[in-house]
Amino acid sequence: EPEVTQTPSHQVTQMGQEVILRCVPISNHLYFYWYRQILGQKVEFLVSFYNNEISEKSEIFDDQFSVERPDGSNFTLKIRSTKLEDSAMYFCASSEGLDARGAEKLFFGSGTQLSVL
Amino acid sequence: EDQVTQSPEALRLQEGESSSLNCSYTVSGLRGLFWYRQDPGKGPEFLFTLYSAGEEKEKERLKATLTKKESFLHITAPKPEDSATYLCAVSPRGTSYGKLTFGQGTILTVHP
Repeated sequence: EPEVTQTPSHQVTQMGQEVILRCVPISNHLYFYWYRQILGQKVEFLVSFYNNEISEKSEIFDDQFSVERPDGSNFTLKIRSTKLEDSAMYFCASSEGLDARGAEKLFFGSGTQLSVL
Repeated sequence: EDQVTQSPEALRLQEGESSSLNCSYTVSGLRGLFWYRQDPGKGPEFLFTLYSAGEEKEKERLKATLTKKESFLHITAPKPEDSATYLCAVSPRGTSYGKLTFGQGTILTVHP
């Protein structure tokens, strides 16, 4: 069964360093997302991406964050200067678009656990 | 503001002991309500989409139902392998289609 692949599974970095989290969405999917989950908290939306553009971003997704689809298979999240509060599990998700009833089913990767020291 | 609240926070069952998980939601307009299963250290795994009040979906020992204010995930004769965190999420109208608002989840533990 096709799946969303994320690397690395764990990333430890020093505060102020740049990190890039990588994702390979399901191959025929066109819509891409990043979510994050701080330990003990809800899964929360960061950004949606379609046709090489950001469709929507949350308040969390400030100028320190950026996303890119550098080629036909990868989707990346970059944090320019990490902060302690960026420590979380980051999930990539993809979808093929709307179903017949107007909703969109997301498939999630297993996540990258980011620890900022 | 769109909100999703799940209860209970944690639920312990004996194998074979049926029960229900609750998801209460407040949205300006519902495009869809989703149930996901999340195992420790993994991403959410899709279970069901419900679109309108009165709708029901079933998969093995799980049955999801939807009203205008809440959804229930009924677990019939659960097995230890059903142990996981169950997440409810809504897709509100007027936002990106894949922008989901999640509840905090119910941690289900099924003892043999």
